[in-house]
Amino acid sequence: DAGITQSPRHKVTETGTPVTLRCHQTENHRYMYWYRQDPGHGLRLIHYSYGVKDTDKGEVSDGYSVSRSKTEDFLLTLESATSSQTSVYFCAISELGTEAFFGQGTRLTVV
Amino acid sequence: AQSVAQPEDQVNVAEGNPLTVKCTYSVSGNPYLFWYVQYPNRGLQFLLKYITGDNLVKGSYGFEAEFNKSQTSFHLKKPSALVSDSALYFCAVRDGLHQAGTALIFGKGTTLSVSS
Repeated sequence: DAGITQSPRHKVTETGTPVTLRCHQTENHRYMYWYRQDPGHGLRLIHYSYGVKDTDKGEVSDGYSVSRSKTEDFLLTLESATSSQTSVYFCAISELGTEAFFGQGTRLTVV
Repeated sequence: AQSVAQPEDQVNVAEGNPLTVKCTYSVSGNPYLFWYVQYPNRGLQFLLKYITGDNLVKGSYGFEAEFNKSQTSFHLKKPSALVSDSALYFCAVRDGLHQAGTALIFGKGTTLSVSS
């Protein structure tokens, strides 16, 4: 796998609590992405970043925020977790015009 | 807007037979097309891509894909399936006209089941 580390790998949290997922890369790639994977929906883009402090919304950004203060780190925050945010979250990285490389995923359960 | 369709939720094939996993796309510019595979409880692994050039693209593990501009398709193929090919396959597209800063858009995935 490309040098992408997601943490935590598994998390159970209660409704209404804040949650932050971390993606760390060692490839120095410019672009970073957060996707969620749900049965019947494939992967849907939450947010992406095209540089330090440069981010934009994806298809399913409501309820999520992101930050990228360093090239290597891209954080996804659920300000107040809801049961609909139970999912598997994937981070990905790429350079311009290249394929994306994915992390191993974070399984989040909101109870 | 970009979109990808994988019309089959599941494809079943016997080991040794050829397999095809279908994908059609819609973009406003030139398409950048990708296939990924996902094994249980794993991340997505890149298989192959089409950016420009030869319409037949060869990738990892003996897979290939044919780009057809007139039919806006990018079907994944393999001449002889293996049981170990059983997995979830995703087609993805990026709009080459607006690719700077844009992400891959994925289809919903097709489960490939290869029986022995």
